[in-house]
Amino acid sequence: NAGVTQTPKFQVLKTGQSMTLQCAQDMNHEYMSWYRQDPGMGLRLIHYSVGAGITDQGEVPNGYNVSRSTTEDFPLRLLSAAPSQTSVYFCASSSLAVSYNEQFFGPGTRLTVL
Amino acid sequence: GDSVTQMEGPVTLSEEAFLTINCTYTATGYPSLFWYVQYPGEGLQLLLKATKADDKGSNKGFEATYRKETTSFHLEKGSVQVSDSAVYFCALSDRSGYSTLTFGKGTMLLVSP
Repeated sequence: NAGVTQTPKFQVLKTGQSMTLQCAQDMNHEYMSWYRQDPGMGLRLIHYSVGAGITDQGEVPNGYNVSRSTTEDFPLRLLSAAPSQTSVYFCASSSLAVSYNEQFFGPGTRLTVL
Repeated sequence: GDSVTQMEGPVTLSEEAFLTINCTYTATGYPSLFWYVQYPGEGLQLLLKATKADDKGSNKGFEATYRKETTSFHLEKGSVQVSDSAVYFCALSDRSGYSTLTFGKGTMLLVSP
């Protein structure tokens, strides 16, 4: 199993550009989520999904869109990038059948917006 | 809302020293508690967990006990190694939610030979 994979690993954007961060998991997990990690802020939840066709907002959703058309994939879209979105982005997944909610994380995407 | 507070770092220790990283939480109900570790350039990995009061999670020599009376989940290790240098995150999951984790801000541990 590859676990949770993310692409790209690094990305540089100019202000106003759009892009999609890809996330895929091969563990048949129902739950998937996106976090951003900023220095001194820990990880903050952007959006999450509990299954195909179901998404919801987390703590910091503004400027990001998500969709979940399959169990495996959960892409994160930046519609018009801003310097405040410079961050490291992590995708995570977990099985809702497990009571203690262990989440499995991808390796991250480091995004710089100029 | 739920929150997690952990000690600020960096924590700097010599090899074989005793480690404590404090973590306290605020939550409604009875959350599950976790410690995650992030090695340089990598994603987070689950280090240990506890799902109810007085549970002790342990892994790789690290331990943490779920203390409901003090709302704490402090991470300890008796003898740290250089390879333990990483950022450690305390987190909780409110069981009424859908696997959503609330993280502390992280504590960097630096171990020197």
